[in-house]
Amino acid sequence: SQQGEEDPQALSIQEGENATMNCSYKTSINNLQWYRQNSGRGLVHLILIRSNEREKHSGRLRVTLDTSKKSSSLLITASRAADTASYFCAQGDSTLGRLYFGRGTQLTVWP
Amino acid sequence: DVKVTQSSRYLVKRTGEKVFLECVQDMDHENMFWYRQDPGLGLRLIYFSYDVKMKEKGDIPEGYSVSREKKERFSLILESASTNQTSMYLCASETRNTIYFGEGSWLTVV
Repeated sequence: SQQGEEDPQALSIQEGENATMNCSYKTSINNLQWYRQNSGRGLVHLILIRSNEREKHSGRLRVTLDTSKKSSSLLITASRAADTASYFCAQGDSTLGRLYFGRGTQLTVWP
Repeated sequence: DVKVTQSSRYLVKRTGEKVFLECVQDMDHENMFWYRQDPGLGLRLIYFSYDVKMKEKGDIPEGYSVSREKKERFSLILESASTNQTSMYLCASETRNTIYFGEGSWLTVV
């Protein structure tokens, strides 16, 4: 299976703290993406980082990519209760549009 | 705004029934996907389509078929529903390496 893995499976923090989620994958990639899913809803695209990039920012999100270790991390700074959701990483390969999703990290942010 | 609409949010079907899950996107995207999501297993790709009347098997196509007669519409068909097909089904369309998901269809087979 080419499915990646997120770590930890679950993360519980207080509002204002930073949340870090990690993703490991198995094969070479064109890009790596992070998605968010609120309970019972569809996934929403957060950020894409290409294989030749090492770091990318979007608002309170910071994504890093280490292709030598086949890993990525998503950092959410100054977390809010509204950030409570599942977060998935997905690896894009050479096939157009084909993504491999991990099992996700469940983030809970307590007020 | 990008919109992917799944016609049914919640369905309950009996074992052996033929089930249709409909999905429509309004962005003129060529690529569309059907995923299945189960607790602890993440998202698994059932089928995808690069163009009208074209389809490709994903990772778990057994027990499913698809239809894409028009560019905006991608249907998932369960020919004879079974209890192990109880799941959440997510439709998506793709452009520029970004996937846009519908809200999901919760299917229970009894």
